[in-house]
Amino acid sequence: DAGVIQSPRHEVTEMGQEVTLRCKPISGHNSLFWYRQTMMRGLELLIYFNNNVPIDDSGMPEDRFSAKMPNASFSTLKIQPSEPRDSAVYFCASSYGDSRFEQYFGPGTRLTVT
Amino acid sequence: EDQVTQSPEALRLQEGESSSLNCSYTVSGLRGLFWYRQDPGKGPEFLFTLYSAGEEKEKERLKATLTKKESFLHITAPKPEDSATYLCAVQTQGGKLIFGQGTELSVKP
Repeated sequence: DAGVIQSPRHEVTEMGQEVTLRCKPISGHNSLFWYRQTMMRGLELLIYFNNNVPIDDSGMPEDRFSAKMPNASFSTLKIQPSEPRDSAVYFCASSYGDSRFEQYFGPGTRLTVT
Repeated sequence: EDQVTQSPEALRLQEGESSSLNCSYTVSGLRGLFWYRQDPGKGPEFLFTLYSAGEEKEKERLKATLTKKESFLHITAPKPEDSATYLCAVQTQGGKLIFGQGTELSVKP
């Protein structure tokens, strides 16, 4: 299995621009998670999908952030407009079953907003 | 407030020098405790899940234990390839997964 696939691996953008991060979960997994990791705050859960339905989006920082999962093999995390404080590494993870089970993380997207 | 605290923040060991990492938690009901390993520039890699006090899991030189208030990750005779950041995560009854800040382990030959 190829594991969780994320793209792009690195993104540099200017403040105010729209940013779209992409994730392909492991085939057969029915839960998908988006995380953000910074030195200051560590790893934080942003949103969790189960069977393509958003279950918990309480970690989404504000309305500038949105996430979609149109089918079982693809999800996007969009930031519009982006701000310098959004700079972080964004991870996507998937699991078989719900959030009680071990999650498999992708390699992450390092986002820099200047 | 649900909280997960890992200690120490950083740990330097000599190869073969056994030690333990700590993860203490205060949550409104524990559904599970997870240990992950993270190498620089990579995503966390799953190691163990513990569900109830008294439970233990082992994998090679690593052994994870769980009590009602904390978990330990014991590293026996570590090797340089064990160097990484070790993350503890707790799942609450509400389903939320809360990660600790991690312990950065360095094992010198």
